[in-house]
Amino acid sequence: EAQVTQNPRYLITVTGKKLTVTCSQNMNHEYMSWYRQDPGLGLRQIYYSMNVEVTDKGDVPEGYKVSRKEKRNFPLILESPSPNQTSLYFCASFSYSYNSPLHFGNGTRLTVT
Amino acid sequence: KNEVEQSPQNLTAQEGEFITINCSYSVGISALHWLQQHPGGGIVSLFMLSSGKKKHGRLIATINIQEKHSSLHITASHPRDSAVYICAPEETSGSRLTFGEGTQLTVNP
Repeated sequence: EAQVTQNPRYLITVTGKKLTVTCSQNMNHEYMSWYRQDPGLGLRQIYYSMNVEVTDKGDVPEGYKVSRKEKRNFPLILESPSPNQTSLYFCASFSYSYNSPLHFGNGTRLTVT
Repeated sequence: KNEVEQSPQNLTAQEGEFITINCSYSVGISALHWLQQHPGGGIVSLFMLSSGKKKHGRLIATINIQEKHSSLHITASHPRDSAVYICAPEETSGSRLTFGEGTQLTVNP
């Protein structure tokens, strides 16, 4: 089944403790991206990648890191999480090659205390 | 000012009504995505379009690139259409996506 898999679904952590949210797609998509969703602010792009080893900042990259060493994986790293990073996070992917729609993961609800 | 403006922000309809949600944007785009988000958070792509019109079942999406405007129509609305609908223009350069704040649609039986 074609899908974008995010893990974990829920995560509660403490300020400063490094964490990684994983994202994997099995559709050979070139484009992958991370978003956060906050009440009243909608979806905002954190980072995106147009292909392997190519990443770019979105609208709210501060406090986040990403890497794209392989086509299928695009992990989101919070080196030193802070409470203002408490949010609902989504990973998404699509293909330029066959003009596919966006495919979203199920989301990760992160709470930083 | 948000680069993407959706209207209305909230919409309540009776089952069977024709629904229109509008999206205006200010940047040059290569495509525009319409997304649906149900309570519980999952996001599903409804349409990706770069010109003209697309139809899936009771849903129709149109775009006018010159006027920087897109609409999502739902014919014969049903309570299961209740969700948040989000438009997301994809910028021509670099595939940056920006998002409207969403339209909360409630369809009452």
